[in-house]
Amino acid sequence: GDSVTQMEGPVTLSEEAFLTINCTYTATGYPSLFWYVQYPGEGLQLLLKATKADDKGSNKGFEATYRKETTSFHLEKGSVQVSDSAVYFCALKLDNYGQNFVFGPGTRLSVLP
Amino acid sequence: SQTIHQWPATLVQPVGSPLSLECTVEGTSNPNLYWYRQAAGRGLQLLFYSVGIGQISSEVPQNLSASRPQDRQFILSSKKLLLSDSGFYLCAWSSWGDRGMETQYFGPGTRLLVL
Repeated sequence: GDSVTQMEGPVTLSEEAFLTINCTYTATGYPSLFWYVQYPGEGLQLLLKATKADDKGSNKGFEATYRKETTSFHLEKGSVQVSDSAVYFCALKLDNYGQNFVFGPGTRLSVLP
Repeated sequence: SQTIHQWPATLVQPVGSPLSLECTVEGTSNPNLYWYRQAAGRGLQLLFYSVGIGQISSEVPQNLSASRPQDRQFILSSKKLLLSDSGFYLCAWSSWGDRGMETQYFGPGTRLLVL
């Protein structure tokens, strides 16, 4: 079945470090791909998305490129801030009506000052 | 713009008591609606989804139920809560937006503690 795999956390970085959170997927078709962020005690917020191969989603300094050949959608940021501490979820959605969204298990990021 | 509301924000209930969590969406029509549960430090578990009024699909067997009495209202219920029902409940809606991409948006969540 369709699935999303993320690197296990927690990931702990110092402020201004470079961030990569790996995400790979398995899907029977050509999914749309998403990154969501969840700050403590809050719901999930859409961070960025991409709909087809080689698309790059970007928002708030984060970016991820849809790589069909490696079935990946890794999240990157050049310089993290303490305020980026949160749980990050990678997700996919197949382009079929009625199909559900599939979420990864989440990766907790802690940024230290 | 679209907004999604959930209430209450926090709830403490005794085992065996009933439950009703409400979710409403504004600024869109005929959305797909979803209920997820997130246990402490865990990922998301899809509980129910709905593609229209009165249409509910259940993803896991449990003592919870869902109803959609109006287009933009989604209710999660239980007749008798169990300890294992504790968790963070998230409502979400989705629609087909730009370039035919369906995107999901989440509410602020309800934290439920069953004692």
